[in-house]
Amino acid sequence: QQQVKQSPQSLIVQKGGISIINCAYENTAFDYFPWYQQFPGKGPALLIAIRPDVSEKKEGRFTISFNKSAKQFSLHIMDSQPGDSATYFCAAISPGSARQLTFGSGTQLTVLP
Amino acid sequence: ETGVTQTPRHLVMGMTNKKSLKCEQHLGHNAMYWYKQSAKKPLELMFVYNFKEQTENNSVPSRFSPECPNSSHLFLHLHTLQPEDSALYLCASSQDRGGGSANTGELFFGEGSRLTVL
Repeated sequence: QQQVKQSPQSLIVQKGGISIINCAYENTAFDYFPWYQQFPGKGPALLIAIRPDVSEKKEGRFTISFNKSAKQFSLHIMDSQPGDSATYFCAAISPGSARQLTFGSGTQLTVLP
Repeated sequence: ETGVTQTPRHLVMGMTNKKSLKCEQHLGHNAMYWYKQSAKKPLELMFVYNFKEQTENNSVPSRFSPECPNSSHLFLHLHTLQPEDSALYLCASSQDRGGGSANTGELFFGEGSRLTVL
């Protein structure tokens, strides 16, 4: 029940296209959903995050869409650029006295010039 | 210095060596974590410390020994490692492990220590 399932495993997009990464979860108690971006040789860095009482959050070219009833959320990267090529991890955080972050398995995005 | 700093960035060691990885965070956080990242595998949580106390050990072999002398520093002592232990070891911190509404539980990662065991 703590799993977060992420797809696709890899994604190739042309420059200027839209990249879409999907995640699904089971635990309805999760109350925070961050996305992390990791470049080769670097640690993951927080990209954007959303709470389940919001259906969409946009920051620049990055948008999270959240569907609470379906227990799914997705990351959309508009006007994808070669510099966006990285591995993206979705995550979900459980509430309580010992907050726990559960990562998805990651999506390797390649944006072709 | 800001964020989470890990040293060394790269480490090559033999199976009989003893070495340590160091992590320091300058964010005023009280929880610190060690993760292992191997090629084509999900991030694996290894250890969690909250206010200097170890709260999680995810069945990590005893050849990995963590130490948290204070809330800002975290070490991972390594001895008699195996080649399959070669990976990127990531340190992270968060505000703490509490459930207050202001605490999102977000993790802040260092850049990692790339370990190669020969």
